[in-house]
Amino acid sequence: ELKVEQNPLFLSMQEGKNYTIYCNYSTTSDRLYWYRQDPGKSLESLFVLLSNGAVKQEGRLMASLDTKARLSTLHITAAVHDLSATYFCAVTLRTSGSRLTFGEGTQLTVNP
Amino acid sequence: GAGVSQTPSNKVTEKGKYVELRCDPISGHTALYWYRQSLGQGPEFLIYFQGTGAADDSGLPNDRFFAVRPEGSVSTLKIQRTERGDSAVYLCASSLGPASQETQYFGPGTRLLVL
Repeated sequence: ELKVEQNPLFLSMQEGKNYTIYCNYSTTSDRLYWYRQDPGKSLESLFVLLSNGAVKQEGRLMASLDTKARLSTLHITAAVHDLSATYFCAVTLRTSGSRLTFGEGTQLTVNP
Repeated sequence: GAGVSQTPSNKVTEKGKYVELRCDPISGHTALYWYRQSLGQGPEFLIYFQGTGAADDSGLPNDRFFAVRPEGSVSTLKIQRTERGDSAVYLCASSLGPASQETQYFGPGTRLLVL
């Protein structure tokens, strides 16, 4: 059974600081996604990572993938309040069809 | 363009009642998914349609849950004899093709509360 684990589950940080969210998964995956969810809202796609060593950046967020370690990271640079949200990683497996298997989510709060 | 839409946005019902939740995918998207998200959790897969057929319904929790997509576009998730444990946000997503190759785009969800 595929398991996806994120840590930390809760993260409170000051504006201007850097931090990294980790996502581990238990089985070789096809694709890894990062989504953002604001309170009471749906999920917004941030990144899709396809291959070992893939790195993608958008603004203050950078995601990377190490398929050998079955690990993805979401790095936050110089956090700002607008980044406060819950971040989910999710993976797909060719053997599990097209379903996304999500981690528990990391609730990020950026304090002024 | 228009994203995934879901109706109703909120639904309150009584235990034992029947409910239907509707999803309109992004135009041209052949793949459609239903997920359920409980408070403080990540979404959990329920069912996946490719076109009109359910390609994978292994996430449906029991036979009270059923979903259809008769014309390959709009989908309806049907829950019979609702139970309090069914209370959750039901999310619909669509993608251009199978998620193994394409990003899934999510709708705003239907918040179901069973009293």
